[in-house]
Amino acid sequence: AQSVTQLDSQVPVFEEAPVELRCNYSSSVSVYLFWYVQYPNQGLQLLLKYLSGSTLVKGINGFEAEFNKSQTSFHLRKPSVHISDTAEYFCAVSDHGSSNTGKLIFGQGTTLQVKP
Amino acid sequence: SAVISQKPSRDICQRGTSLTIQCQVDSQVTMMFWYRQQPGQSLTLIATANQGSEATYESGFVIDKFPISRPNLTFSTLTVSNLSPEDSSIYLCSAGTGYSNQPQHFGDGTRLSIL
Repeated sequence: AQSVTQLDSQVPVFEEAPVELRCNYSSSVSVYLFWYVQYPNQGLQLLLKYLSGSTLVKGINGFEAEFNKSQTSFHLRKPSVHISDTAEYFCAVSDHGSSNTGKLIFGQGTTLQVKP
Repeated sequence: SAVISQKPSRDICQRGTSLTIQCQVDSQVTMMFWYRQQPGQSLTLIATANQGSEATYESGFVIDKFPISRPNLTFSTLTVSNLSPEDSSIYLCSAGTGYSNQPQHFGDGTRLSIL
């Protein structure tokens, strides 16, 4: 069975500092990986996705993530955060299986708190 | 990408009543998903709704408590029945192509509180 672990429940960081939000997954099959962001009182918005190819993927709002198959990780990074990046971030996985309907398994979420 | 409109955005309900949440997509989609997000928690999939077939429920969720309709390719409803305080959550719908390499698109959620 698949699972996703986000290693940090909260990450406080000062504005303009770099940040890394960690995500590890467990799956017996090949997977697709996604990062979503949830701003207060809103739904989830796709930040970026890894399907295949280059292990470094770039997303919206200056975020990027690196897929590491040997470590089964997909950590999210941003070199310089803004106050507006304060939100909940979710890592999610979907497997390649033919019976998959696009179902996602989500991690527990990481609250990014950007301080002035 | 698809735009998802969810209604109501929030509601306060009495114990024992039911609430029906509507999810409208601005384009035809194959799959619609319903999630529950309990306070401070992640998203838990309730069920997957494919047009023209019965919804597929995840372990721990049953049709009697969470009946779902999917009458066409742009619309779905989730009813939360016999409400109790434990049902206080955010309920989110999403839409997808049915392919695992395609992202889902989410509505803004329904914030439900039970008195």
